[in-house]
Amino acid sequence: SAVISQKPSRDICQRGTSLTIQCQVDSQVTMMFWYRQQPGQSLTLIATANQGSEATYESGFVIDKFPISRPNLTFSTLTVSNMSPEDSSIYLCSVEQSETGAFFGQGTRLTVV
Amino acid sequence: GEDVEQSLFLSVREGDSSVINCTYTDSSSTYLYWYKQEPGAGLQLLTYIFSNMDMKQDQRLTVLLNKKDKHLSLRIADTQTGDSAIYFCAERSGANNLFFGTGTRLTVIP
Repeated sequence: SAVISQKPSRDICQRGTSLTIQCQVDSQVTMMFWYRQQPGQSLTLIATANQGSEATYESGFVIDKFPISRPNLTFSTLTVSNMSPEDSSIYLCSVEQSETGAFFGQGTRLTVV
Repeated sequence: GEDVEQSLFLSVREGDSSVINCTYTDSSSTYLYWYKQEPGAGLQLLTYIFSNMDMKQDQRLTVLLNKKDKHLSLRIADTQTGDSAIYFCAERSGANNLFFGTGTRLTVIP
């Protein structure tokens, strides 16, 4: 199984600002995934990040709001831009090493005030 | 996306068995998963089952899959207070898409 570290683990941010979340994996992976978990809800996939190409965004998510970087096979960042209180969520980074499972970071709990 | 449904809450007494249920709509699912999320933590993969299996046992965990009814369950034997968490089922549809259920909050009463 992969070990995934996310930073920060939590943050409280002012509306209108941006926060960049980092995700580090202890092995090289082709695809990394970013999810959002709104309070009391399930996980929603934001985008898939491949190294060396543009991220692929799911319906309802756009690059201007959630820019993603994937500079190498062990690292990715997700930025939440121009934040509003509706962006308050847990953001989770994930990697899938085979069909037998996806592994998640511990998440970043974001509160926008 | 696909629909994956779970009941929201389950309470059991310590030492009893817990059964968490999940239904899904995609008949072409290949793998189905159970994840555990403890307060303030990410998701921990508990177990998975391939769609051509109907049962998988791993220590206190038993997964049952009824592919005809598109019904998945997770049974936790001898439930302990440390099992209190939110449990998500997820199904894989296509090469890389995971669809998660709404999560079931399991409360274990001492």
